[in-house]
Amino acid sequence: EAGVVQSPRYKIIEKKQPVAFWCNPISGHNTLYWYRQNLGQGPELLIRYENEEAVDDSQLPKDRFSAERLKGVDSTLKIQPAELGDSAVYLCASSFRAGLETQYFGPGTRLLVL
Amino acid sequence: ELKVEQNPLFLSMQEGKNYTIYCNYSTTSDRLYWYRQDPGKSLESLFVLLSNGAVKQEGRLMASLDTKARLSTLHITAAVHDLSATYFCAVLINQAGTALIFGKGTTLSVSS
Repeated sequence: EAGVVQSPRYKIIEKKQPVAFWCNPISGHNTLYWYRQNLGQGPELLIRYENEEAVDDSQLPKDRFSAERLKGVDSTLKIQPAELGDSAVYLCASSFRAGLETQYFGPGTRLLVL
Repeated sequence: ELKVEQNPLFLSMQEGKNYTIYCNYSTTSDRLYWYRQDPGKSLESLFVLLSNGAVKQEGRLMASLDTKARLSTLHITAAVHDLSATYFCAVLINQAGTALIFGKGTTLSVSS
């Protein structure tokens, strides 16, 4: 069974530029999560989707971050414009449903903002 | 605010010896997870602990949960080099599945 797929794996951009990350969850998983992991820290949730609905985006910096999950499968996380402090690893995870199911993580996108 | 604290944050281990990592959390939780992360890789689920007194074992790793003390431990028996990685505990705060709250991670390094 294929795991969570993310692309790109690495991205280097200059500040103020836009950037987008893509995630394809495990087939059949209804819940999708985007996390941000800063260096030396554990992941922190940015947004959670139940199918195509964003049900928890309280930690998403909405002035510059946006996300979508069209048709309840793939998801895209966008930053516009990027700031130096956005340098981190952006992890996508999925689970069959929210709450009681183990979350499976993708390999992440490592973003460096110069 | 839920806090998840791990200690130690770094652990240098000798092959063949036993060690324990601690994970404390500040509020009640439905379940606790342990994940492993190798450098540059994603997180791999190791254990999920569901109730007070739960114990799970896989190879040289054993995880336990004391919900009354809000404490989980990850015990390493006879450390080997392959166990070198960063280990995270993560707490689920309610059944609605708002999010996993992660600790900062414990980086283990095993030397011969």
